[in-house]
Order: sequence, then structure tokens, then C-alpha cells
Amino acid sequence: DAGVIQSPRHEVTEMGQEVTLRCKPISGHNSLFWYRQTMMRGLELLIYFNNNVPIDDSGMPEDRFSAKMPNASFSTLKIQPSEPRDSAVYFCASSLLRDTEAFFGQGTRLTVV
Amino acid sequence: GESVGLHLPTLSVQEGDNSIINCAYSNSASDYFIWYKQESGKGPQFIIDIRSNMDKRQGQRVTVLLNKTVKHLSLQIAATQPGDSAVYFCAENMGQGAQKLVFGQGTRLTINP
Repeated sequence: DAGVIQSPRHEVTEMGQEVTLRCKPISGHNSLFWYRQTMMRGLELLIYFNNNVPIDDSGMPEDRFSAKMPNASFSTLKIQPSEPRDSAVYFCASSLLRDTEAFFGQGTRLTVV
Repeated sequence: GESVGLHLPTLSVQEGDNSIINCAYSNSASDYFIWYKQESGKGPQFIIDIRSNMDKRQGQRVTVLLNKTVKHLSLQIAATQPGDSAVYFCAENMGQGAQKLVFGQGTRLTINP
């Protein structure tokens, strides 16, 4: 398996634009996580899914952020409209079962100017 | 004004020495813990995990110790090598049903030649 695949690797956008980050989890994994990493706040859990269903989105900072998982092999994190303070590295991770390791993608570095 | 970023704890050790990285976790009900290593520009990478019914687990050159009484986790790395230089994170599973991995702030380990 190629591991967790995120796209794009880098995204530069202007304030106010919509941004969509994409994630393909490892095949067969039933939990998917979206994290945001910044120098200010470290590695924050934004939202996680189990069997394609959002379980806890309490980490999503504002209504500008939304995440979907239409099927077991694809998830998106959307920011609309984007703001400069959204600049961060966004990671997607997946795990097979409860109490097993989560595998991380390479991340998407988002810069909002 | 701009807030100060996270000040990561830093540990510097000589190559070949042993290192110990500590982590205080927050939820006494957490029952699964993971140590991750993150190198610059990459996603977190699994090192070792431990369940709450254990107090010690060993891997190759690494040992994790769990003290549930004081909610403390440690990672011991034996005979450190230059490639061990990275930021190390502990994560706890705070989910009651589905897995919910929450990360600590991280420790930067620097190996001196």
C-alpha cells in the first residue's frame, strides 16, 4: 500500500478563496483523522471519522471549516473563505482499529496570503 | 500583535548516549498511548505504542514506560544516533468508542556528534 496520500503537497491561495485539501486513507482502515500543525498551537485534532461517519468535530475552529468523507477511500477538508491565520500544515491520518497506530500522510502546507 | 509560538522542550544528548523523553497526559481514562517521531518536512511516524494494562514495552532501541498513577509516559532511546534527531510526540487515545488520538506538544531531540 502507498500509505496515506494527501494532495496537494503545497497550496498557496489568496485570502477569501476556497481551499480544498484531499486525503486517501490506507485501504481497509476505518478511522480517518484531520490534524492541523502550527508553531503556535502544535498538532491539533480537527475532526475524525469512523466508518465514514464524523464522530467528533469539536476541534474544527470555525464554520469556515468543513470536512466530508463520502466513501471509505476519500476525504476532503474545505476552508471557505480562507484567511491568513489558516496557514499551517494539515495532516490526514488513518487507522485500522481502535488501539492501533494511526498512519500519517505527508501533509499539505497551506499558505494564505 | 503576534503571539509567541510554542516553546518546544528541547533535549540535547551526545551520540551514543541514552535519552529519555517525558510526557504528561491529560485523561485518566485514556487506555492507549503512542510515541511518534517527526522529522522536518514529514508527517509523524509511529515508534512504539502501549496499552494501559501494561507499564512497560520494549522495541528495537526504544522502551516506553507508563505510570498511570501520575499520568506519565516516557520514551527511552538507547545508544542514540544522528538519525534520532527529530521532534517526538506522545499521543493518547481519549475516545470512548472510536479512536480519538490527541497529541502532546512535543519534545525536540538533538543528537550532538
